Amino acid sequence: DAGVIQSPRHEVTEMGQEVTLRCKPISGHDYLFWYRQTMMRGLELLIYFNNNVPIDDSGMPEDRFSAKMPNASFSTLKIQPSEPRDSAVYFCASSLSPLDSPLHFGNGTRLTVT
Amino acid sequence: EDQVTQSPEALRLQEGESSSLNCSYTVSGLRGLFWYRQDPGKGPEFLFTLYSAGEEKEKERLKATLTKKESFLHITAPKPEDSATYLCAVAGGTSYGKLTFGQGTILTVHP
Repeated sequence: DAGVIQSPRHEVTEMGQEVTLRCKPISGHDYLFWYRQTMMRGLELLIYFNNNVPIDDSGMPEDRFSAKMPNASFSTLKIQPSEPRDSAVYFCASSLSPLDSPLHFGNGTRLTVT
Repeated sequence: EDQVTQSPEALRLQEGESSSLNCSYTVSGLRGLFWYRQDPGKGPEFLFTLYSAGEEKEKERLKATLTKKESFLHITAPKPEDSATYLCAVAGGTSYGKLTFGQGTILTVHP
C-alpha cells in the first residue's frame, strides 16, 4: 500500500496563474478530503467527497477554488487565478469511514504564490 | 461551530521527563475526538480515537484520555523521537465527515 499520493510536492507560481494539485487516494477508501494548513489558521477542511460525490464544500474559500473527483482513484484541487494569500500546504487525505477509521494523509503540496 | 484549543503551543522536555498536552473542545454532539502526530514535511499520522468521556487509549509511551470538555495526551518518559507536532481534532454531530483540528502542540524532547 503506497498510501495517499499527492503531486507535485512543491509548486511555485506567479499571482494570476492557474494551479492544479493532484491526489491519488488509497484504493478502497470511499472518502477523500482536501485540507489546507497555514501557520495562522492551522489545518482547515476545504472539501470532502464520498464515493466521488462532493458532500461538504463549505470550507472552499471562494469561487477561485474548485475540486473534482472524476473517479475513485483521482482528485484535483484547482485554484484559478491564484493569489499570494493562497500560499499554504495543501493535504489530501482518504478514509474508509471518517469516524470509525483513521484519515490517511498524503505528504502535501507546498504552494507558494509570488 | 466546533472549536478546538490546544495548549501549550510549544513544550520542551528532557528525555525521560513525563508531561501532558491538553485539548479543550466545544462541539455539538461529540462523535469522536482524534489525536494525530505530524512530523516536519509530512502529513498528520493517526494516533488515537476516543468516543466517550472516561475512555482511555494507550500506545507505547502515549496515553490519551477524554472528559466531557477536554482530552489529555500523556507522554511517559519521552524520547527524542517523540518530538513532533501533536494535533487534536473533533467530529461533531452536524457534519458526519468533517474534522475540526486544533492548532497543535509542538513537542521537543532533548536528549
